Amino acid sequence: DTGVSQDPRHKITKRGQNVTFRCDPISEHNRLYWYRQTLGQGPEFLTYFQNEAQLEKSRLLSDRFSAERPKGSFSTLEIQRTEQGDSAMYLCASSVSGSSYEQYFGPGTRLTVT
Amino acid sequence: QKEVEQDPGPLSVPEGAIVSLNCTYSNSAFQYFMWYRQYSRKGPELLMYTYSSGNKEDGRFTAQVDKSSKYISLFIRDSQPSDSATYLCAMRRLGAQKLVFGQGTRLTINP
Repeated sequence: DTGVSQDPRHKITKRGQNVTFRCDPISEHNRLYWYRQTLGQGPEFLTYFQNEAQLEKSRLLSDRFSAERPKGSFSTLEIQRTEQGDSAMYLCASSVSGSSYEQYFGPGTRLTVT
Repeated sequence: QKEVEQDPGPLSVPEGAIVSLNCTYSNSAFQYFMWYRQYSRKGPELLMYTYSSGNKEDGRFTAQVDKSSKYISLFIRDSQPSDSATYLCAMRRLGAQKLVFGQGTRLTINP
């Protein structure tokens, strides 16, 4: 399978715990994006990388959230001290750079904070 | 007010019907317009991608963009039960990277 992959697919954690998600983009894509989707809503942009550089962060990305993309390949999204409001689907997408491109999404990681 | 408005539905139509899905937006800087299909508990799948105004056709799907009215549409011809999903419109500004999504319309095609 050459699409975007995410791991884990589901995560249940207790409030206050830290969680980390991983995204592997399509191999030739140098841009990687994180979005969050709550039930009944469209995805909301969190952050994006071009190669290893994090170029934009949404104000939705509070201090408890951090994302990395070492070596410009896979990316991780960490949430510290999780809250019940963090329960959502976390989606990763990737694309090639250029003036006209398409973002391809992975299957998402569903986080439930109890 | 949200930048992108989309009727969440639900919308239920019989098999074979023509389906019309729509979004309106407020930011005239949006230049790229997309439609994604999302099955339950899955990631969004890109269906159509258009730049600026005009029409684009791909099989049973036609996307229309009317920038003067800030209105985009997706038409599905000969709808099939397998088309049952949530349809998300998305758009972005020239030079920007983030996509701005509508809420999504939940569509059911009844056999």
